[in-house]
Amino acid sequence: RKEVEQDPGPFNVPEGATVAFNCTYSNSASQSFFWYRQDCRKEPKLLMSVYSSGNEDGRFTAQLNRASQYISLLIRDSKLSDSATYLCVVNSPGSARQLTFGSGTQLTVLP
Amino acid sequence: EAGVAQSPRYKIIEKRQSVAFWCNPISGHATLYWYQQILGQGPKLLIQFQNNGVVDDSQLPKDRFSAERLKGVDSTLKIQPAKLEDSAVYLCASSLGAGDPYQETQYFGPGTRLLVL
Repeated sequence: RKEVEQDPGPFNVPEGATVAFNCTYSNSASQSFFWYRQDCRKEPKLLMSVYSSGNEDGRFTAQLNRASQYISLLIRDSKLSDSATYLCVVNSPGSARQLTFGSGTQLTVLP
Repeated sequence: EAGVAQSPRYKIIEKRQSVAFWCNPISGHATLYWYQQILGQGPKLLIQFQNNGVVDDSQLPKDRFSAERLKGVDSTLKIQPAKLEDSAVYLCASSLGAGDPYQETQYFGPGTRLLVL
């Protein structure tokens, strides 16, 4: 089983749509969770951290369910500029700073 | 603030040749990482430095890969000899290396795209 699993997509959605991505992780001892965004042929960039209480940043909402070892990202009112690959990231077993990346979910927002 | 710098941006070599990548992290960042990203996959950590010491190199194929960060600032990653399966993007990242390690942001450089023929 992969440490971090994501649906690879692709997700093709119209502008203005709401889209949700899910991710599961295998190590119940993981303590930090993130979503990174990676544009085509660019480097990954931190989109947001994910907290147990859930957190929101504008049109983006992240949720964490520790019992199910499940992380989600919701994007409301999708924009063309949201087209990218979204990487689910969890700290590696036994290390706070080391990160394990999922393979990413590709999103294309269509006009 | 200047970001993480990497060079070269692209490299094409033949198998069995050697290649080196260079990374200059964000000023003041103590922790430096090298990742390998194969097409269609997420980045995979190869090695982590804290200042000029290696924290973890358990996923570095040491028979052909080597890395150093001699003065605790910039770093080089070398592959010798290269194999076809080494074709990937090599990403360097840095982080502050202080404070809450569980909420530390890693900042990535633009990467070096390596093609081994």
